[in-house]
Amino acid sequence: AQKITQTQPGMFVQEKEAVTLDCTYDTSDPSYGLFWYKQPSSGEMIFLIYQGSYDQQNATEGRYSLNFQKARKSANLVISASQLGDSAMYFCAMKSGGGADGLTFGKGTHLIIQP
Amino acid sequence: EAGVTQFPSHSVIEKGQTVTLRCDPISGHDNLYWYRRVMGKEIKFLLHFVKESKQDESGMPNNRFLAERTGGTYSTLKVQPAELEDSGVYFCASSPSWTGETFGSGTRLTVV
Repeated sequence: AQKITQTQPGMFVQEKEAVTLDCTYDTSDPSYGLFWYKQPSSGEMIFLIYQGSYDQQNATEGRYSLNFQKARKSANLVISASQLGDSAMYFCAMKSGGGADGLTFGKGTHLIIQP
Repeated sequence: EAGVTQFPSHSVIEKGQTVTLRCDPISGHDNLYWYRRVMGKEIKFLLHFVKESKQDESGMPNNRFLAERTGGTYSTLKVQPAELEDSGVYFCASSPSWTGETFGSGTRLTVV
């Protein structure tokens, strides 16, 4: 069975600071993908970044980077130079070749950026 | 390009009634997924279509839920009869491949 754990229900961060959102995962499949989604108050789920289990380098997308530590089964999201518009729910998710076709989500972290 | 469209955005129905949710995926996306988030819980996978075929419906909670994707385009998710525990936000997502699902804004279903 797959499991995603996000241990930070909520975070307050000052604008312009870097933010690290924690995510650990559990799977017995050697092939899997890790995803981060952002859900602003408007409700839509916005795809941010993807990391494959065989990728050698950490994924980056603009201000987002994924700190992938395979041995620790950790896939933390790092947001550099946070902005007020980064305030939202953030979900870590995974998908593996041997599991269900859909994403397995964590409970999410509510990030609030303060001016 | 247009995103994933879901409607209605909100629905309030009485226990025992029937509700049909609709999802229009991004044009050309063969993969279509349904998810549900019940209050206080994680977002849960319900099922996956590839074109018009159900590839995986392991997450469907029970036989009161019926999903269809006729012609491999839009999809519907019918709940009949609705129960109180069916309340939640139902998300649809689509993708051209295994990765990077694009989600719709969801349908908030309230059963009273």
